[in-house]
Amino acid sequence: DIQMTQSPSSLSASVGDRVTITCRASQSISRYLNWYQQKPGKAPKLLIYAASSLQSGVPSRFSGSGSGTDFTLTISSLQPEDFATYYCQQSYGAPLTFGGGTKVEIK
Amino acid sequence: EVQLVQSGAEVKKPGESLRISCKGSGYSFTNYWINWVRQMPGKGLEWMGRIDPSDSYTNYSPSFQGHVTISTDKSISTAYLQWSSLKASDTAMYYCARRDSSSSDAFDIWGQGTMVTVSS
Repeated sequence: DIQMTQSPSSLSASVGDRVTITCRASQSISRYLNWYQQKPGKAPKLLIYAASSLQSGVPSRFSGSGSGTDFTLTISSLQPEDFATYYCQQSYGAPLTFGGGTKVEIK
Repeated sequence: EVQLVQSGAEVKKPGESLRISCKGSGYSFTNYWINWVRQMPGKGLEWMGRIDPSDSYTNYSPSFQGHVTISTDKSISTAYLQWSSLKASDTAMYYCARRDSSSSDAFDIWGQGTMVTVSS
């Protein structure tokens, strides 16, 4: 199985901050890396697919980068509605696997 | 509107059987695989398996193989997740999600979730 390791597991930030979350795969997954946002009591929402493609309707302050084993999700200017948990997921091969999540909290 | 609508919350006893559902609408159901994802209380997301509604081909995570069954009835655009004998450790929120092959196989549409509680 491909292991996905996210860091940090949690972070505190203020509105307007630039936030970066990293995700590392245990083997190369090319660009088959997706990012999701989950708010409490809600289903996850797709933000970024194929490492850097912005899902329709997602604000442009979200961006993704990387290929191979190392990937990054960046929020350029954190907004109040961005406080949530973020997950990376590899769709390179089954079993599909998620990172452990990064909880973004208000400082 | 493209959506997946899941069946309601369930409370069951250990050893009981259960089937939950996920109904797709607003798109061609047989063109997109349906995945099931587990989220235990306070924990992360775990992929359980997927099904191709066009031919019912399934693919399971080794962690769930043999404990759950994924099926579909394409005539009513519905996918199912079922257990023959529930355990307390099956208590979790279960999500269905549509896989979009044009978007790196990402899960672009999610159901609202079905909470399953297993308790004696």
